Amino acid sequence: AQTVTQSQPEMSVQEAETVTLSCTYDTSESDYYLFWYKQPPSRQMILVIRQEAYKQQNATENRFSVNFQKAAKSFSLKISDSQLGDAAMYFCAYRSPLDVGNMLTFGGGTRLMVKP
Amino acid sequence: DSGVTQTPKHLITATGQRVTLRCSPRSGDLSVYWYQQSLDQGLQFLIQYYNGEERAKGNILERFSAQQFPDLHSELNLSSLELGDSALYFCASSPRTRNTEAFFGQGTRLTVV
Repeated sequence: AQTVTQSQPEMSVQEAETVTLSCTYDTSESDYYLFWYKQPPSRQMILVIRQEAYKQQNATENRFSVNFQKAAKSFSLKISDSQLGDAAMYFCAYRSPLDVGNMLTFGGGTRLMVKP
Repeated sequence: DSGVTQTPKHLITATGQRVTLRCSPRSGDLSVYWYQQSLDQGLQFLIQYYNGEERAKGNILERFSAQQFPDLHSELNLSSLELGDSALYFCASSPRTRNTEAFFGQGTRLTVV
């Protein structure tokens, strides 16, 4: 079974600064998908960014980018030019490409606080 | 708005009772997933349905059951409720089981008193 670990329960960043959230995972599969989800106080789970394991290029979505290290099984999220609206819980998640059992496996989450 | 609709948004009930949570997936999505988010267990996968059939089971208690109807909406039934069942229950949907993205509803906050 896959496991996902987020070692930072809480992080804080100054507005306009850059912050990196860490995520490691354990799997025996060679092909899979990784995601970062954001959960603001509204509770909605919002997809921030995704990465296919077969792609060597790191995914980027505007101010959000990842550092995907497949050999190290590491998938960190970098938020540049942090904004107050970035304050939320962030969850790293793993998904198998298999037809059966391809649910998301989540890490424990990192609470990000943004200081004005 | 993800397009996934969950009702009700909030539910307060007593121990021992039974409740039904409803999920309408995005238009055209065949796959529905249920997740439970609690303070001590985090986000956990409960069960997956695809086009009306159960596809995978996670840490779902025997007191819990689910189904997906011909119109693709899904219901999660929780019975003999205990205080520890208080949690946020999410439904997510995706077009196919192999699709990479799952879109989440806003969740149902269940409080058992």
